[in-house]
Amino acid sequence: TQLLEQSPQFLSIQEGENLTVYCNSSSVFSSLQWYRQEPGEGPVLLVTVVTGGEVKKLKRLTFQFGDARKDSSLHITAAQPGDTGLYLCAGVHTNAGKSTFGDGTTLTVKP
Amino acid sequence: KAGVTQTPRYLIKTRGQQVTLSCSPISGHRSVSWYQQTPGQGLQFLFEYFSETQRNKGNFPGRFSGRQFSNSRSEMNVSTLELGDSALYLCASSVQPTGANEKLFFGSGTQLSVL
Repeated sequence: TQLLEQSPQFLSIQEGENLTVYCNSSSVFSSLQWYRQEPGEGPVLLVTVVTGGEVKKLKRLTFQFGDARKDSSLHITAAQPGDTGLYLCAGVHTNAGKSTFGDGTTLTVKP
Repeated sequence: KAGVTQTPRYLIKTRGQQVTLSCSPISGHRSVSWYQQTPGQGLQFLFEYFSETQRNKGNFPGRFSGRQFSNSRSEMNVSTLELGDSALYLCASSVQPTGANEKLFFGSGTQLSVL
């Protein structure tokens, strides 16, 4: 079983603050993806990281894949209310042919 | 380009009934995956179809089944519904089967409530 643990489970911050969400596993993944889901909608892909140590930036969001391809982090700079949502990481193991999702981090950014 | 379409959006059933959910993938996408999302268990993989063949199956009982048609549309069926089957059922499509660089595009889901 390839489990992905996300932390923290819930995060409530003020607009303008920075935050980091973590995604950890004991398994090695072919790639790791981050999604954001809003209430009543399906998850939307934000980024895919493939190479160990890889860092990708998407405006105020910075994603990092661990050197051993077992963990990842999502850092948001100067959070805005529009960043509110459920953030999910998903590990892809090509041999298993499926994505394994973490339980998610619910982020609330207060104006 | 239309996104992934799931119907119906909401469904209320009673225990023991069966239900069929539908998913139309993005045009040109041949792979469809199904996930169950609940507050307690998160997103759990149900199965993946590609070119009308089931490629992978998650750890769900045989009451959960699915199929894919020649136009890549997919349906999933749950028989003998139980209260614990209440969940948001999400469908995701991709061009190719799940892989390292493959992007999944999710529909808005079908919210199933079993009474």
